[in-house]
Amino acid sequence: DGGITQSPKYLFRKEGQNVTLSCEQNLNHDAMYWYRQDPGQGLRLIYYSQIVNDFQKGDIAEGYSVSREKKESFPLTVTSAQKNPTAFYLCASSVTQGAVGEQYFGPGTRLTVT
Amino acid sequence: GNSVTQMEGPVTLSEEAFLTINCTYTATGYPSLFWYVQYPGEGLQLLLKATKADDKGSNKGFEATYRKETTSFHLEKGSVQVSDSAVYFCALNNQGAQKLVFGQGTRLTINP
Repeated sequence: DGGITQSPKYLFRKEGQNVTLSCEQNLNHDAMYWYRQDPGQGLRLIYYSQIVNDFQKGDIAEGYSVSREKKESFPLTVTSAQKNPTAFYLCASSVTQGAVGEQYFGPGTRLTVT
Repeated sequence: GNSVTQMEGPVTLSEEAFLTINCTYTATGYPSLFWYVQYPGEGLQLLLKATKADDKGSNKGFEATYRKETTSFHLEKGSVQVSDSAVYFCALNNQGAQKLVFGQGTRLTINP
């Protein structure tokens, strides 16, 4: 089955540590995205990538970093510079050519930093 | 700019009730419109979509019609079930842009 995998589902870290969240897709989609969701809130875009080795900042990129070395993978690093890292993180992907723009989401990773 | 405004929640209904969740949008072009659903602790799932005026998207008993004259895309279901309890997000993509614009979400609870 094609889809998006995020691991782990739950992640716990101590303050001051960097942590990397995994996102893999086998949908052959060109574009991938990272969103942050806080309790009772909508989604906020962190970073997105339309092609391998290229990515753009979203609305709340400060304190985060990404890489896109392979089409299938788009890991997100939450650095110690991110002031409030505890949140639910969602990865998504989409077709770019000739598309109407719908995105497909992974199951999410809940990060707790104490 | 582009924006999406959803009906504020939470919304609580009894099983078999009629559901409407309002969604209006602002966009400079001709956007595609989407409804996503998020069950507790999970990611978002695409529920339905419409790509041009007067299109009706439908799935699992839910429907929404793209109304350009009122810039709306209201979600409806004739008879809700307890299993429909979730958060619903309205979203738009303007002319193939690479970013979706989401509404703030509406939490729906269905009581048996």
